[in-house]
Amino acid sequence: EVQLLESGGGLEQPGGSLRLSCAASGFTFSSHAMNWVRQAPGKGLEWVSSISASGGSTYYADSVKGRFTISRDKSKNTLYMQMNSLRAEDTAVYYCAKGDSSWPLYADYWGQGTLVTVSS
Amino acid sequence: ETVMTQSPGTLSVSPGERATLSCRASQILSSKLAWYQQKPGQAPRLLIYAASTRATGIPARFSGSGSGTEFTLTISSLQSEDFAVYYCQQYNNWPYTFGQGTKLEIK
Repeated sequence: EVQLLESGGGLEQPGGSLRLSCAASGFTFSSHAMNWVRQAPGKGLEWVSSISASGGSTYYADSVKGRFTISRDKSKNTLYMQMNSLRAEDTAVYYCAKGDSSWPLYADYWGQGTLVTVSS
Repeated sequence: ETVMTQSPGTLSVSPGERATLSCRASQILSSKLAWYQQKPGQAPRLLIYAASTRATGIPARFSGSGSGTEFTLTISSLQSEDFAVYYCQQYNNWPYTFGQGTKLEIK
């Protein structure tokens, strides 16, 4: 059974940093692209970032480019998102989502999400 | 950026009836489109990928169609558990984008 368990969310001040983690199990982590998708309170979905299975290719939405960094550790079956220079508009539930192939396409399994709140 | 536009914003349908949800892309996608269902307080669930292929475990009453810029999700006979918000997502070019969602509510 595929399981994705996010952690690392919480309350942070504007300009601060957080690191999200996503522990994956139930599939061959190193064979699948991974993604972060967020949802602001009461709003729709926004695709934030993706990383290929090898880790060699990464993609970012313009809204987070230069501030967020996606990475993966195949020895720990874990996906990360380093979030710097946080802004109020980064407040959202952040979902870790598994890609169906080695290249980012669509997301076939999702975690339950971790809430990030940016506020002073 | 490819803009995805879903219509209608809210759809009221009675159980047992058919629901048709639309998604339009600002650029040609070929068939690189997915549909997701999201219930309150839950993560999204993949329903359809490649415009018309049902994901694992998705009931046959869900079907997707279309190509190019116009896509449709049809639910043939609504069950109580189908009332939710539905999103389309394009994965033809980065940044990947979602539609704003269609809320399917009980009439």
